[in-house]
Amino acid sequence: GAGVSQSPSNKVTEKGKDVELRCDPISGHTALYWYRQRLGQGLEFLIYFQGNSAPDKSGLPSDRFSAERTGESVSTLTIQRTQQEDSAVYLCASSRGGARWSEQFFGPGTRLTVL
Amino acid sequence: EDKVVQSPLSLVVHEGDTVTLNCSYEVTNFRSLLWYKQEKKAPTFLFMLTSSGIEKKSGRLSSILDKKELSSILNITATQTGDSAIYLCAVEDSGNTGKLIFGQGTTLQVKP
Repeated sequence: GAGVSQSPSNKVTEKGKDVELRCDPISGHTALYWYRQRLGQGLEFLIYFQGNSAPDKSGLPSDRFSAERTGESVSTLTIQRTQQEDSAVYLCASSRGGARWSEQFFGPGTRLTVL
Repeated sequence: EDKVVQSPLSLVVHEGDTVTLNCSYEVTNFRSLLWYKQEKKAPTFLFMLTSSGIEKKSGRLSSILDKKELSSILNITATQTGDSAIYLCAVEDSGNTGKLIFGQGTTLQVKP
């Protein structure tokens, strides 16, 4: 497709379970970002990938969170031993990357509910 | 700690009204300020501002940055019900990542 896609769109899980969220960036976009949006809040930066460079993981809230990206393709965000405070919408964005500014295009997000 | 603060948090107006949304920031490494509109889940880009005092305009929306006051405003004139959304302000970090630091958003409801 032409835009950023994410799956699943909704995920309900039980506390303590692991979840995996997927992001398909726009083809050709080398930069990929994950953000978290809690109810009524703005977006919190989680992690950034640029090509084959080491990712910027400075926004990950705990070691239960991890993300992977192979080359310039799909990325997965994994949350282990989920907690109720992990409930949020997880948004992925991609951009052309590079030295000059390029617009971040957002996916529709995955709404995660931890019971 | 870097932060972006928006005000008001929510606003209810009637069609035809003009609204002004505010964004202030304290960010160590400022590169640019961006405004997004979020209707359902995915924010969509409105403006990017890098220079003080230069107004960006798109239809009924306009925005300006004041780097001395570390703030920006987003104006919407002749509001329509389709303007109802969350408006997000974000500051781009000047490091290599281009990561965005978001405010908490202003929820705008435009009543017919």
